[in-house]
Amino acid sequence: RKEVEQDPGPFNVPEGATVAFNCTYSNSASQSFFWYRQDCRKEPKLLMSVYSSGNEDGRFTAQLNRASQYISLLIRDSKLSDSATYLCVVSGTYKYIFGTGTRLKVLA
Amino acid sequence: NAGVTQTPKFQVLKTGQSMTLQCAQDMNHNSMYWYRQDPGMGLRLIYYSASEGTTDKGEVPNGYNVSRLNKREFSLRLESAAPSQTSVYFCASTVQGNQPQHFGDGTRLSIL
Repeated sequence: RKEVEQDPGPFNVPEGATVAFNCTYSNSASQSFFWYRQDCRKEPKLLMSVYSSGNEDGRFTAQLNRASQYISLLIRDSKLSDSATYLCVVSGTYKYIFGTGTRLKVLA
Repeated sequence: NAGVTQTPKFQVLKTGQSMTLQCAQDMNHNSMYWYRQDPGMGLRLIYYSASEGTTDKGEVPNGYNVSRLNKREFSLRLESAAPSQTSVYFCASTVQGNQPQHFGDGTRLSIL
């Protein structure tokens, strides 16, 4: 079993739609959680950290469920510019494990 | 506001050649990392340096060496390049473990 698993997609959604991604992790001792965005052939860029109480940044909402060992990302009112691959990252003291990413295509 | 700078951005090598990938950060971060990214796979850690003066192996260290030259710089060396090392290499830094990482824009390396 992979340490961090994501549905590779692609998720094809129309502009304005709401879309959600989940990510599961296997190490219950994991300490920090992040969502990164990666555009084609570019470097990963931090989208948001994920906190136990859940957190929101504009159209983006992240949730953490430690009991079930998954994190989620909700994107509301999708924009064409949201098209990218979304990487789930789980860390535990200097060790960062990346999911393979979920590809999102927002269609006009 | 440079952040993490990687050089070169592109490189083509022949099998058996050596080269060093350079990475520098100007954010006063303590920890630095080298990853490789291959199609269909997540980023895989090659080596990391938790702090100046220390280096540790990651998931895929074979065929690579690293040097943490000072707090700012962390280089990755391929002593004898092999086609299996064709990949995109990313350097990242973070103020300390468990904090978000900041990435350089990558080095695209092809080995023929």
